[in-house]
Amino acid sequence: GENVEQHPSTLSVQEGDSAVIKCTYSDSASNYFPWYKQELGKRPQLIIDIRSNVGEKKDQRIAVTLNKTAKHFSLHITETQPEDSAVYFCAAMEYGNKLVFGAGTILRVKS
Amino acid sequence: GAVVSQHPSRVICKSGTSVKIECRSLDFQATTMFWYRQFPKQSLMLMATSNEGSKATYEQGVEKDKFLINHASLTLSTLTVTSAHPEDSSFYICSAFYYGYTFGSGTRLTVV
Repeated sequence: GENVEQHPSTLSVQEGDSAVIKCTYSDSASNYFPWYKQELGKRPQLIIDIRSNVGEKKDQRIAVTLNKTAKHFSLHITETQPEDSAVYFCAAMEYGNKLVFGAGTILRVKS
Repeated sequence: GAVVSQHPSRVICKSGTSVKIECRSLDFQATTMFWYRQFPKQSLMLMATSNEGSKATYEQGVEKDKFLINHASLTLSTLTVTSAHPEDSSFYICSAFYYGYTFGSGTRLTVV
């Protein structure tokens, strides 16, 4: 089955700086890659996603890039703000519409 | 948008008892519901996939006799943790796929 690896496990940035989180996946058949933000005790919130027929997608301060050949995708957050502090998960959709999650990245934005 | 309602949000139970968690799709029909477990400071791990009108599919290592899943209608899926033990204490969350994934609000289970 699919295996998703996510790095780094923790990331501290200064307010206003950029943050990058990287994920790799193993199943070349996976074709949908969402990113979620999760606050303590809450459900994951979709912040951006990308399908395998697209190389890059952007939504205001958030962007995702996908390299199908290398089987990796990355989340880019620019102009970080304290409210961006949370746990971020990448995921890949495998057969049966199952989502396989990465281990998560704790993002701390210091003001 | 699609909404999945999950109850209860928190439950504390005694060791050895059973606990039922419900997930309802409010404005769409969910033929499939995914059940995840999340331990503190860890990722979401898929436990099982429930399918309306048929048996659930469990992931490797998940005891199907301990985590009973029922998906009797197109809008309701339930997870029952039987003979709960402290190591079952976790955050359980359901998800359905309807033009994208929709998550329930999660259930914090504490077994004492």
